[in-house]
Amino acid sequence: AQKVTQAQTEISVVEKEDVTLDCVYETRDTTYYLFWYKQPPSGELVFLIRRNSFDEQNEISGRYSWNFQKSTSSFNFTITASQVVDSAVYFCALSEVVQTGANNLFFGTGTRLTVIP
Amino acid sequence: NAGVTQTPKFRVLKTGQSMTLLCAQDMNHEYMYWYRQDPGMGLRLIHYSVGEGTTAKGEVPDGYNVSRLKKQNFLLGLESAAPSQTSVYFCASSPGLAGAHTQYFGPGTRLTVL
Repeated sequence: AQKVTQAQTEISVVEKEDVTLDCVYETRDTTYYLFWYKQPPSGELVFLIRRNSFDEQNEISGRYSWNFQKSTSSFNFTITASQVVDSAVYFCALSEVVQTGANNLFFGTGTRLTVIP
Repeated sequence: NAGVTQTPKFRVLKTGQSMTLLCAQDMNHEYMYWYRQDPGMGLRLIHYSVGEGTTAKGEVPDGYNVSRLKKQNFLLGLESAAPSQTSVYFCASSPGLAGAHTQYFGPGTRLTVL
C-alpha cells in the first residue's frame, strides 16, 4: 500500500532563512507521481509541483526547489530565503492509480511551517 | 475561470440529518474526487468519478453517496449524519488522460455534526 511520511510536524524559521521539508514515501508501483500542496491559513489546497517516477531531475521554481531521490524514496522541498507568506501547512502526496487516468492521492500528515518576521 | 467551487462553505448538522455538498468545476475536467480532511491527518479519498454518470468508492466511502449527473458537477450526500463525519471536505478535479494525475482542489466545506 502507498504511504507518505512527513516526520516534521511543525517547523519555525526566521524570515530569510532556508528551510527543507522532508517527505519519504513507500510504494510497490513502478510508475507513480509525487506532489506537493500548500494549505495556507485560509484553508484551500494549492498545487505546487508534480513529479513522475521516471524523472529524477531536481526542479527549481523561484525560491522553491525539490529534490527527488528514488534510492532513498524521498521527495524533499526546500524554500530559500523564506518569507512570511510561506507560512502554511505543506502536504506531500503520492498517487495510486485507481482506474485509467484516475488517481487516489495518499497524503502525508503535513508539516506546518511558520515563518517569523 | 473559477476553477473548482464548493457549496456550502460551512454547515452544522444534527445527528441523523441529511445534506448534500455540491462541487462544480469549469475546467472541463473528466475526473472528480471527494476527500475528507481530519485534524492531524492528510486527506483521504471518499468517492471519485471518471466521467459523467460514473462513480466509484475510495478509501473511506461508508456513510456517503455521490452522483455525477453532469460533467461539471459532483455531489456528495450524507443520508444520516454522524459525529464521526465532522470534517473538512474537499472536492478536486483532474483533466483527462493527458495530465490526468494533477488534481486541483476546491476551497473546502467545513462540516460539524452535533
